[in-house]
Amino acid sequence: DAGITQSPRHKVTETGTPVTLRCHQTENHRYMYWYRQDPGHGLRLIHYSYGVKDTDKGEVSDGYSVSRSKTEDFLLTLESATSSQTSVYFCAISESIGERDVTEAFFGQGTRLTVV
Amino acid sequence: AQSVTQLGSHVSVSEGALVLLRCNYSSSVPPYLFWYVQYPNQGLQLLLKYTTGATLVKGINGFEAEFKKSETSFHLTKPSAHMSDAAEYFCAAQYSGGYQKVTFGTGTKLQVIP
Repeated sequence: DAGITQSPRHKVTETGTPVTLRCHQTENHRYMYWYRQDPGHGLRLIHYSYGVKDTDKGEVSDGYSVSRSKTEDFLLTLESATSSQTSVYFCAISESIGERDVTEAFFGQGTRLTVV
Repeated sequence: AQSVTQLGSHVSVSEGALVLLRCNYSSSVPPYLFWYVQYPNQGLQLLLKYTTGATLVKGINGFEAEFKKSETSFHLTKPSAHMSDAAEYFCAAQYSGGYQKVTFGTGTKLQVIP
């Protein structure tokens, strides 16, 4: 199994509070991603990183920010949590190969976040 | 926008029966295609992927998928279902660029009936 650890695995928080989720990898992969998984929507990309301090927005980035100060860590922050951000969050990592960046992504086990 | 459509959010099969999970993509330019499996409280695990070349792709756990350009399909099959196959399955397509461009289908939950 790829070395990806998400923490915490479960969290309940109140509306309006800041929340930070952590993804830690031991594979030294260049790319890291944060997705959210919701019934009927599959996985949707929130933000991704293509190197230390290099990040970009995904499909559903509003209300989220990220930081990557080290290769191994990718943090996702909900600045002011809302009930619509109740979801399961997955971190993934990948490494580019070839011209078209055909890669396989490895996923963490997920963080279940409930905003009440 | 490019999309991936999985027909049937829930599929039930009897143990030992054929498993068929359907996936269609939206582009006239064939993307790279993936099938992932997700067991309860776990992350996604790659079952198989199609990039170029042979259109019948074999994956782990006895699964295979056939890329059909004329039908814009990439259906997942397994000849004989096992109880351990009960999980959620996601089809995904990479139309261009890096993995950040991958689009996921909405998933199909497979139930295996003893």
